[in-house]
Amino acid sequence: GENVEQHPSTLSVQEGDSAVIKCTYSDSASNYFPWYKQELGKRPQLIIDIRSNVGEKKDQRIAVTLNKTAKHFSLHITETQPEDSAVYFCAARGTSYGKLTFGQGTILTVHP
Amino acid sequence: NAGVTQTPKFQVLKTGQSMTLQCAQDMNHNSMYWYRQDPGMGLRLIYYSASEGTTDKGEVPNGYNVSRLNKREFSLRLESAAPSQTSVYFCASTQLRENTGELFFGEGSRLTVL
Repeated sequence: GENVEQHPSTLSVQEGDSAVIKCTYSDSASNYFPWYKQELGKRPQLIIDIRSNVGEKKDQRIAVTLNKTAKHFSLHITETQPEDSAVYFCAARGTSYGKLTFGQGTILTVHP
Repeated sequence: NAGVTQTPKFQVLKTGQSMTLQCAQDMNHNSMYWYRQDPGMGLRLIYYSASEGTTDKGEVPNGYNVSRLNKREFSLRLESAAPSQTSVYFCASTQLRENTGELFFGEGSRLTVL
């Protein structure tokens, strides 16, 4: 089955810096890669997603890039703000229809 | 529009007791999921139901059973609870189209097994 590895497990940045979180996946047939943000004590919520036929997608300060050959994808957050502090999860959906596998999560802390 | 509703929100069990976590969605989604969240281990899939009438095992199905009661409801049962099942459980749903679709999560159910 699909296996998703996420790095780093914790990331600390200063306000205004950029943050990058990386994920690798094992199933070369995976075709959908979402990113979720989970604030403390809250439920995870989708922030951005990308399909396998697209190499990059942007939404204001966040962007996701996908390298299908290397089987990895990354989340980029620019001009970080304290409210970006949260746990971020990557995920991949592979050949098992409907099954969504998550990475282990990255705790992002943005210091004012 | 409530989205995904889970009950109960908190539960304490003794080892060997059984319980059922209930989940219902009002978004007419075709697919539903149960995940558990433990520190440092992310969200691990227990079972999922890609469509009404089907259920499939995820990464960590042992010790659990599920029932897709109808399109709206997907329950998770622990037949004989163990301390290793202490966790936060999330139900989620999505409208799968071409194997994509945003997951909408419930608020979570915190289970402690003593």
